[in-house]
Amino acid sequence: DIQMTQSPSTLSASVGDRVTITCRASQSISDWLAWYQQKPGTAPKVLIYKASTLEIGVPPRFSGSGSGTEFTLTITSLQPDDFATYYCQQYKSFSPWTFGQGTKVEIK
Amino acid sequence: QLQLQESGPGLVKPSETLSLTCTVSGGSINTNYFWGWTRQPPGKGLEWIGGIYYNGDTYYNPSLRSRVTLSVDTSKNQFSLRLTSVTAADTAVYYCARSIRYWGQGTLVTVSS
Repeated sequence: DIQMTQSPSTLSASVGDRVTITCRASQSISDWLAWYQQKPGTAPKVLIYKASTLEIGVPPRFSGSGSGTEFTLTITSLQPDDFATYYCQQYKSFSPWTFGQGTKVEIK
Repeated sequence: QLQLQESGPGLVKPSETLSLTCTVSGGSINTNYFWGWTRQPPGKGLEWIGGIYYNGDTYYNPSLRSRVTLSVDTSKNQFSLRLTSVTAADTAVYYCARSIRYWGQGTLVTVSS
């Protein structure tokens, strides 16, 4: 299996802060990486796919970068609606698709 | 707008079989997309279960492979999940999705006697 390691697991930040979440793959996944936002009681919502492609309707304060084994999700100016849990997922290989353990973004 | 909706029993007894169906609306399942299942135990992270193409090609998480069967019914625009010999560890919200971009709202399945 390709292991996905996310950091940090919890992040405390204030509205307006720049936030960066990192995801590391145990082997190269090229750019087959997605980032999701999940709020309590709701399904994950894709923000970024193919490592850096912004999903339609997602605010441009979200951006993704990286390739190979190192990836980042950046929120340039944190908004109240952004407090949530974020997951990365590799979908290069079906053996199997794997998720990071999640990063909870909390209000500081 | 593509929509997916999970359906099935919310309570399953230990050792029995969990069966869920995902109904696709606003688009055809008979397309070259990957139709998958992911689950999330209460308070925990996401676990990919597996998925299927419209032609029946399937891919499973090896950790669940021996207990999972996926199928697709193109005439009903549905795909389904069967998980046998369930235990309390299978209690989770189960999500269906088209590839990575379109997800159902999820359905909670509790395994308990």
